[in-house]
Amino acid sequence: DAGITQSPRYKITETGRQVTLMCHQTWSHSYMFWYRQDLGHGLRLIYYSAAADITDKGEVSDGYVVSRSKTENFPLTLESATRSQTSVYFCASTGQGSTEAFFGQGTRLTVV
Amino acid sequence: GESVGLHLPTLSVQEGDNSIINCAYSNSASDYFIWYKQESGKGPQFIIDIRSNMDKRQGQRVTVLLNKTVKHLSLQIAATQPGDSAVYFCAENGSGGGADGLTFGKGTHLIIQP
Repeated sequence: DAGITQSPRYKITETGRQVTLMCHQTWSHSYMFWYRQDLGHGLRLIYYSAAADITDKGEVSDGYVVSRSKTENFPLTLESATRSQTSVYFCASTGQGSTEAFFGQGTRLTVV
Repeated sequence: GESVGLHLPTLSVQEGDNSIINCAYSNSASDYFIWYKQESGKGPQFIIDIRSNMDKRQGQRVTVLLNKTVKHLSLQIAATQPGDSAVYFCAENGSGGGADGLTFGKGTHLIIQP
C-alpha cells in the first residue's frame, strides 16, 4: 500500500532488551524522521536522515540508533531499552523542497 | 533555548462557531510555520503552513495568521465541525529548512460541544 507504515503498532519489551521499530515509505522521499511523543513534551526529534546512508542526531538521541541502507526504510533501534523510553514513536517523511511531513500511525512502546 | 509553545492546553467550542488556536514561537530563523492536526490514535496530519514573509494564508475553512513582531501564530477554523475535534500542534522548520526536522509545540486539545 502507498504511504508510510510503521511496525509493530504495539510492543511490550523488558528493560535491557534490544528492540527495533520499523518504518517504510513508498514515496521515495529523501527525508525521514523519528519522533517520540510523551505527555507534556509534545513531539521531540530523535533522529533524522537526508538520504540513504546519511543520518543525524536530533534533540533526544541518547539510547537510540538508526540506519538507512535503503531510501524507503528507516528503522529505529533501542539498544538496551529503559523505562524512560516508554513512549509513542512516530516516523515521518518529507519530499525534497516540501514543508509537508507525512507521519505514520505510530508505535506504542512499553518498557517494563 | 528556542521553543515553540501554545497558550492554552484545551479549547472548548460550540459546533458551528469559529475556533482560534494560538501559538508562540521564539526561533526567528524559521522560514516556515506549520499546523498539524492529530486525531486520537493517529499520527499528526498536515493542515496548512505559512512562510515567514507572509502574515496570512487561507485554506479550506482554515486561516493561519503570523505576527512576527510578537512572534505569534494562530490557526482559525471556521464553522467548527465534530470532525475538527483533535489535538492541534504548531511547528516550525527552524534554520535548516525542515531537513533537520520540525520543532513542535505541546499541543492544544480542541473539544467540540454539540
